[in-house]
Amino acid sequence: GAGVSQSPSNKVTEKGKDVELRCDPISGHTALYWYRQSLGQGLEFLIYFQGNSAPDKSGLPSDRFSAERTGGSVSTLTIQRTQQEDSAVYLCASSPLTPGTRAFFGQGTRLTVV
Amino acid sequence: GQNIDQPTEMTATEGAIVQINCTYQTSGFNGLFWYQQHAGEAPTFLSYNVLDGLEEKGRFSSFLSRSKGYSYLLLKELQMKDSASYLCAPTDEGSQGNLIFGKGTKLSVKP
Repeated sequence: GAGVSQSPSNKVTEKGKDVELRCDPISGHTALYWYRQSLGQGLEFLIYFQGNSAPDKSGLPSDRFSAERTGGSVSTLTIQRTQQEDSAVYLCASSPLTPGTRAFFGQGTRLTVV
Repeated sequence: GQNIDQPTEMTATEGAIVQINCTYQTSGFNGLFWYQQHAGEAPTFLSYNVLDGLEEKGRFSSFLSRSKGYSYLLLKELQMKDSASYLCAPTDEGSQGNLIFGKGTKLSVKP
């Protein structure tokens, strides 16, 4: 596609359930980023995939959060045993990773845990 | 890692000029990005600076001083549609391209 695609756009889940959020980056982009944004807050870094290198997972808030990137393309962010504080917009971005090139963001998945 | 500091909120008047500052500390430096984010929307790229000095792009300019760990975004002839959050993201050599943002500056443009 022409841009970064995220699905679903909205997700309501019950506390304790697992959720999977998907990100389709721009074709050919080797870098992929996940962020979390609570209402009125800044972008909180979660995880960063760079080509075939080991991902930078330093931003994952707990072991309930995990992410994978299959075949260097599509990425899935999984949140296990969701809690109400997980409610936020989850944003994905991708870039070609050439120095100085911009990252392009998807429209995000709004997650609500009830 | 990076320590990034931006003012939380700013208010300015339509037609005026506003400067949004960003100070940072990085272990190595590999350029600094500014992004704009309107409420409820995804961030979009504004500028990238890697050398010292001012880069002008229409109504928006971005300045960098590497020795001072300082950048600013200058918005001229403010319009109501410039009301948004402005996010600073310095990159460092050690992070291999990772993009860590400051908390952002929420700019409100008043008539």
